[in-house]
Amino acid sequence: QSVLTQPPSVSAAPGQQVIISCSGSSSNIGNNYVSWYQRLPGTAPKLLIYDNDERPSGIPDRFSGSKSGTSANLAITGLQTGDEADYHCGTWDNRLSSLVFGGGTKLTVL
Amino acid sequence: QLQLQESGPGLVKPSETPSLTCTVSGDSVGSGLYYWGWLRQPPGKGLEWIGSIYYSGTTYYTPSLKSRVTISVDTSKNHFTLRLSSVTAADTAVYFCARHSGSWIYDAFDMWGQGTMVTVS
Repeated sequence: QSVLTQPPSVSAAPGQQVIISCSGSSSNIGNNYVSWYQRLPGTAPKLLIYDNDERPSGIPDRFSGSKSGTSANLAITGLQTGDEADYHCGTWDNRLSSLVFGGGTKLTVL
Repeated sequence: QLQLQESGPGLVKPSETPSLTCTVSGDSVGSGLYYWGWLRQPPGKGLEWIGSIYYSGTTYYTPSLKSRVTISVDTSKNHFTLRLSSVTAADTAVYFCARHSGSWIYDAFDMWGQGTMVTVS
């Protein structure tokens, strides 16, 4: 059971937009920065978003992050088949004194 | 170009204490600019942080594994190592090493190794 809650799967058509949610509590998302990672099949995870809404260099602006209260969202616009991957959110949990993650969301581009 | 490469036994027996090593190239674990961490992903489950280490040897571990985990760093060999004691089938996972993006334990992981599968059986 992951500390952060993500939907197990989402799907959308090429060119469309999808939003992946990540729900937590005041001890984690509510008071700490959220990061998002993309893991393509058989590859290393890649940092997509850090500090809630910042993109590392090289990450296209099709990917954006936001946070409100104890939830965070990852939005992907202009979906491409190459975006099919698992997406994970993560943050620090003050009560657990640990980095915590969601269970991951599998994105299918129909 | 920064690269992290995990190495270790692919198959271990229950109750053993395997060691995994993360060899870093293109950066120095002794620079003092970053924390370096270990994470894992069991089959069909999400990512789990195991712990992280600073060049000085300062470590942070997730509480649920703290009693069984030791992370150490060797700046002369530019690598850091994970030891996990008394493994069970529940420790079967892909193990990743990664670099935090800064010198805070809260910083995101900006570079990752490819991962190495460890099966306990």
